[in-house]
Amino acid sequence: SAVISQKPSRDICQRGTSLTIQCQVDSQVTMMFWYRQQPGQSLTLIATANQGSEATYESGFVIDKFPISRPNLTFSTLTVSNMSPEDSSIYLCSVDDGTVINYGYTFGSGTRLTVV
Amino acid sequence: AQSVTQLGSHVSVSEGALVLLRCNYSSSVPPYLFWYVQYPNQGLQLLLKYTSAATLVKGINGFEAEFKKSETSFHLTKPSAHMSDAAEYFCAVNTGAQKLVFGQGTRLTINP
Repeated sequence: SAVISQKPSRDICQRGTSLTIQCQVDSQVTMMFWYRQQPGQSLTLIATANQGSEATYESGFVIDKFPISRPNLTFSTLTVSNMSPEDSSIYLCSVDDGTVINYGYTFGSGTRLTVV
Repeated sequence: AQSVTQLGSHVSVSEGALVLLRCNYSSSVPPYLFWYVQYPNQGLQLLLKYTSAATLVKGINGFEAEFKKSETSFHLTKPSAHMSDAAEYFCAVNTGAQKLVFGQGTRLTINP
């Protein structure tokens, strides 16, 4: 299955600033997903990113707040814009490398974001 | 719409005891079902999955789960708990839309 490198692993940011999270995959994948895990909560899908097209956002998430780039089949970024303390969460990227039946969806190790 | 319900946000068992984590799903089509584990300060690791083959699925670390269509359930079990099993466990469903819907999670605590 694919191996994902996610950066940064953690950060502490000032409110009003923006943070860009990177997700690098060791193989070409069609679909990449970005999730948010708020403290003590489950994972909620933010958006699905396909190469060469606009990301598809889930209800409650908007492009202005969470712009996503997907320049090629191995890389994606998620930006958390104009941050507030409510954005403090773990952000995880995930991929479907076409082997869901064998390996399930693979997740990055996450970015733990604290907004102060 | 698909959904997942995990009964019990927190389960506590003694070391060596049976572990049972409950998951019920809602889906209008045959689902793929997954159990993931999250250790503190780490990402998610796949424990096991059901993809319409055998209904009893064996995973890593001695865990297994049984898909019961009549009960719309996919409960996770392990015969004998180890201290290292303490973690957060997530059940998730996928119905071909190529994204996962997660349950609320169950925190498993192991008592010595």
